[in-house]
Amino acid sequence: GDSVTQMEGPVTLSEEAFLTINCTYTATGYPSLFWYVQYPGEGLQLLLKATKADDKGSNKGFEATYRKETTSFHLEKGSVQVSDSAVYFCALMGGSEKLVFGKGTKLTVNP
Amino acid sequence: ETGVTQTPRHLVMGMTNKKSLKCEQHLGHNAMYWYKQSAKKPLELMFVYNFKEQTENNSVPSRFSPECPNSSHLFLHLHTLQPEDSALYLCASSQEGLLEQYFGPGTRLTVT
Repeated sequence: GDSVTQMEGPVTLSEEAFLTINCTYTATGYPSLFWYVQYPGEGLQLLLKATKADDKGSNKGFEATYRKETTSFHLEKGSVQVSDSAVYFCALMGGSEKLVFGKGTKLTVNP
Repeated sequence: ETGVTQTPRHLVMGMTNKKSLKCEQHLGHNAMYWYKQSAKKPLELMFVYNFKEQTENNSVPSRFSPECPNSSHLFLHLHTLQPEDSALYLCASSQEGLLEQYFGPGTRLTVT
């Protein structure tokens, strides 16, 4: 079945550091790919998405590119802020039209 | 109220209790979902309702009983739970044909 693997973390960075959170997937066909973010005490929010190969999703300075050849959708941000501290989830939606999530990566950004 | 709301935010219950979780969406969506979020595990989809009809039950134990009286409200009735059922229960909604799901803040459930 479909699955998502993302780096487990936790990840701790200093403010203004570069962020990469790796995500790879296994799916039949051409799934849509997502990054969701969960701030402390809140539900998940969609951060960005990409629906076909080579698409780049971007939002709030975060970017991820749908790489079909490597079945990856790595999340990047050039300069993180303390307010980016949260748990980040990679997810896919394939033919079943159900979201399949990774385990989440906790990011802590220190001032 | 806007978005997806869930009540209560926190719940502690004994194994013999009966309680219910409530979810309400104010987005005009026609699909609603229950997810279970446990530490160090991916989110687990429990139930899906489309147009008030249950379309998915991911082998969830019968001690969890969903109810969807209309397209804006979703309940999860709980009875004789086990300690391993302690988790964050998230509700989400979406509009048919669109990819994005909107999540509520969750109910943190502790079973003692």
